[in-house]
Amino acid sequence: NAGVTQTPKFRILKIGQSMTLQCTQDMNHNYMYWYRQDPGMGLKLIYYSVGAGITDKGEVPNGYNVSRSTTEDFPLRLELAAPSQTSVYFCASGGNQPQHFGDGTRLSIL
Amino acid sequence: RKEVEQDPGPFNVPEGATVAFNCTYSNSASQSFFWYRQDCRKEPKLLMSVYSSGNEDGRFTAQLNRASQYISLLIRDSKLSDSATYLCVVNPTSGYSTLTFGKGTMLLVSP
Repeated sequence: NAGVTQTPKFRILKIGQSMTLQCTQDMNHNYMYWYRQDPGMGLKLIYYSVGAGITDKGEVPNGYNVSRSTTEDFPLRLELAAPSQTSVYFCASGGNQPQHFGDGTRLSIL
Repeated sequence: RKEVEQDPGPFNVPEGATVAFNCTYSNSASQSFFWYRQDCRKEPKLLMSVYSSGNEDGRFTAQLNRASQYISLLIRDSKLSDSATYLCVVNPTSGYSTLTFGKGTMLLVSP
């Protein structure tokens, strides 16, 4: 009953470093999503994918990249970390039903 | 007008109270609607879908008014464990490719 799994749960980066946030789902969902949530704010869609090999920008894609080589995995890449990217990142997946979320990655950039 | 707009919070209520949250959406072509619950520092979780005829799940009742582009969530007999942020969520298309989330309304239930 894993659902959507995100790693790592917490990470501190220095400005300019890069990292990949991992997301995997075992529900065979076609759709996968990355959101960020800043303190006291709503979810903002970064990127989404409607299937393997297909990705689309969301509301706030700048500074991020994604890939979707398999149905299960949807990693999010930060190439040059900036303080403005300090946030909680949620991955979600969905099929013919509303989205299920992973438990988040808390990222701080100092 | 924001795509999905919710009552500002927080709502502070005593245990046993009835509380209602409201939500309006701007896209009249929106197809489906949901309420999610988000506990502090946790991921959002689906609470219930909202159907045109209205629907109930235990102490929770959801209503949809398409003409007014308005969604509501009623919680009866509030419990301490109901304390959370409630997110109004709208699907603007017939599939589930993207959802639009409101900022949420925080509920605090006190003893």
